[in-house]
Amino acid sequence: GAGVSQSPSNKVTEKGKDVELRCDPISGHTALYWYRQRLGQGLEFLIYFQGNSAPDKSGLPSDRFSAERTGESVSTLTIQRTQQEDSAVYLCASSLRTGGDYEQYFGPGTRLTVT
Amino acid sequence: KNQVEQSPQSLIILEGKNCTLQCNYTVSPFSNLRWYKQDTGRGPVSLTIMTFSENTKSNGRYTATLDADTKQSSLHITASQLSDSASYICVVSSDRGSTLGRLYFGRGTQLTVWP
Repeated sequence: GAGVSQSPSNKVTEKGKDVELRCDPISGHTALYWYRQRLGQGLEFLIYFQGNSAPDKSGLPSDRFSAERTGESVSTLTIQRTQQEDSAVYLCASSLRTGGDYEQYFGPGTRLTVT
Repeated sequence: KNQVEQSPQSLIILEGKNCTLQCNYTVSPFSNLRWYKQDTGRGPVSLTIMTFSENTKSNGRYTATLDADTKQSSLHITASQLSDSASYICVVSSDRGSTLGRLYFGRGTQLTVWP
């Protein structure tokens, strides 16, 4: 498949547990973004990676959230000590480069439920 | 503060009818504006992109307009189909010089088309 893929599609976890979400971007896309979408809310920017540059982490809501990307491939978003307010759909997107001129292609998202 | 506001929040129309969705933004500096369609359980997909100098752009039955002076955009859907039922999200890009590409998302308009 040529699109952005994410796994798992659904994740249910207990409060206090750590979770790791995975994103496989489109091959050749140097930019990768993570967003959070709470029920009935708009997309909330979390972090983006551009090539080997330092990531823009300005959207991460707390130090419980972190993300890594290996080169220009897979990225993982880790949430430590999950809280109920972390329940949301986490969307990943990739684009050829950063910049509004480059369309972001979104994955299907991971629906996280913290009980 | 950079914001994107959409109206209405939700809309129900009958199949075959037309509708218009609104987007107002305060994002500055402005780079471009996109309308995305997000089907339930899927990631958003870009419908149109408009830059500062463009007033209108069409994609099939979708026509977007942009008034950069008043910072308003609209998405007009003609002859609606059941498959148009989705959330329509207005996204404004503000390129911040060398750091590029921060996107600002509206909360979306949830459109439901009834047979």
